[in-house]
Amino acid sequence: AQKITQTQPGMFVQEKEAVTLDCTYDTSDQSYGLFWYKQPSSGEMIFLIYQGSYDEQNATEGRYSLNFQKARKSANLVISASQLGDSAMYFCAMRDIGNFNKFYFGSGTKLNVKP
Amino acid sequence: DGGITQSPKYLFRKEGQNVTLSCEQNLNHDAMYWYRQDPGQGLRLIYYSQIVNDFQKGDIAEGYSVSREKKESFPLTVTSAQKNPTAFYLCASSIVGSAYEQYFGPGTRLTVT
Repeated sequence: AQKITQTQPGMFVQEKEAVTLDCTYDTSDQSYGLFWYKQPSSGEMIFLIYQGSYDEQNATEGRYSLNFQKARKSANLVISASQLGDSAMYFCAMRDIGNFNKFYFGSGTKLNVKP
Repeated sequence: DGGITQSPKYLFRKEGQNVTLSCEQNLNHDAMYWYRQDPGQGLRLIYYSQIVNDFQKGDIAEGYSVSREKKESFPLTVTSAQKNPTAFYLCASSIVGSAYEQYFGPGTRLTVT
């Protein structure tokens, strides 16, 4: 079964606008972590933000915030004030203790920021 | 600076040859991982290791082999049994525990002709 689902293969956003990238996950564990990574065309994977399953507040890191809805099992990434440099692939990932610390990655969303 | 080194960045091989991709980390992380990424696709787990001298198969281990003789090193061998080895390979490491992110190396682009 798919552990991480990203339903938006590609998205466009106007520069300076906010954009939400969707992510839903599936786990029966109580303790897990949710992560977002950015992958520019160079191929490097850049860690953006982390949300723990027990965290009551949504995580924020600069222009990135994670809209965590535990009951719905969703962990959407919100990028505020988009910049041209935000154009990249974005991957949602989950790590659960119950399965040897594996990370599960979604298929990714390609974000294009238009000037 | 702490980080993960993968070498080389680009690698070219003839079909039928085994090739070993290097991955070294100086972050003192126990867990290490190998992923394969095809163009426009997500990451697929090949092998992972939580401790020296122990590793587990991921989702696409067939045609690949690894070793973990030292904490800082986790080389991946792409064997001639791998039917479609041309891809982008990413190595990662992490502290064990659900709260910790993976750190990634810069990747190796392998082309087999």
